[in-house]
Amino acid sequence: AQSVAQPEDQVNVAEGNPLTVKCTYSVSGNPYLFWYVQYPNRGLQFLLKYITGDNLVKGSYGFEAEFNKSQTSFHLKKPSALVSDSALYFCAVRGSNGTNKLIFGTGTLLAVQP
Amino acid sequence: GAVVSQHPSWVICKSGTSVKIECRSLDFQATTMFWYRQFPKQSLMLMATSNEGSKATYEQGVEKDKFLINHASLTLSTLTVTSAHPEDSSFYICSASTLAEITDTQYFGPGTRLTVL
Repeated sequence: AQSVAQPEDQVNVAEGNPLTVKCTYSVSGNPYLFWYVQYPNRGLQFLLKYITGDNLVKGSYGFEAEFNKSQTSFHLKKPSALVSDSALYFCAVRGSNGTNKLIFGTGTLLAVQP
Repeated sequence: GAVVSQHPSWVICKSGTSVKIECRSLDFQATTMFWYRQFPKQSLMLMATSNEGSKATYEQGVEKDKFLINHASLTLSTLTVTSAHPEDSSFYICSASTLAEITDTQYFGPGTRLTVL
């Protein structure tokens, strides 16, 4: 069965410091991995995705994520956090076995302190 | 590009009434649309997958007669919550993808907050 784990309910980081939001996955076939961000009472905004190719994927708003096949991880990173990055972040996975459904993690609340 | 809108953004209704939520892809044609439900501080739960011109595919445990989905065109899908009850109160989010290809990205609408009194 496909699944996504985001082990941290909340991540706290000071403005200007690097941030990491963790994600691990389990999927049959090759994984297609996504990161989305959600601001309060809003829908999800697409940040970035990994389909194939370079393991380091760059996305919107200075975010990037690294695909690690051996560790089945796809952690979201940013070199320097902004207060405006504070939001709920979701990792999602889709397998290459014929389904186009996304499986979402439980979300990680990122709080950036000024 | 890839903008998805939802209407209304919020709705309050009485128990027993029906509510229709629209999901539109504004600048692309969406062959597939998805409907999710999100409870407070929880992840998204997929309710159904909607393909243009065909019947929606519902996830296990989702009542198709209660949550009616229509995908009449490549830019519009509707979700109707029939005979709504307070337990149907939730945040409903749609998403759309441009192609049926498995690698395509889902773009999400802003969500609709439904409150059933």
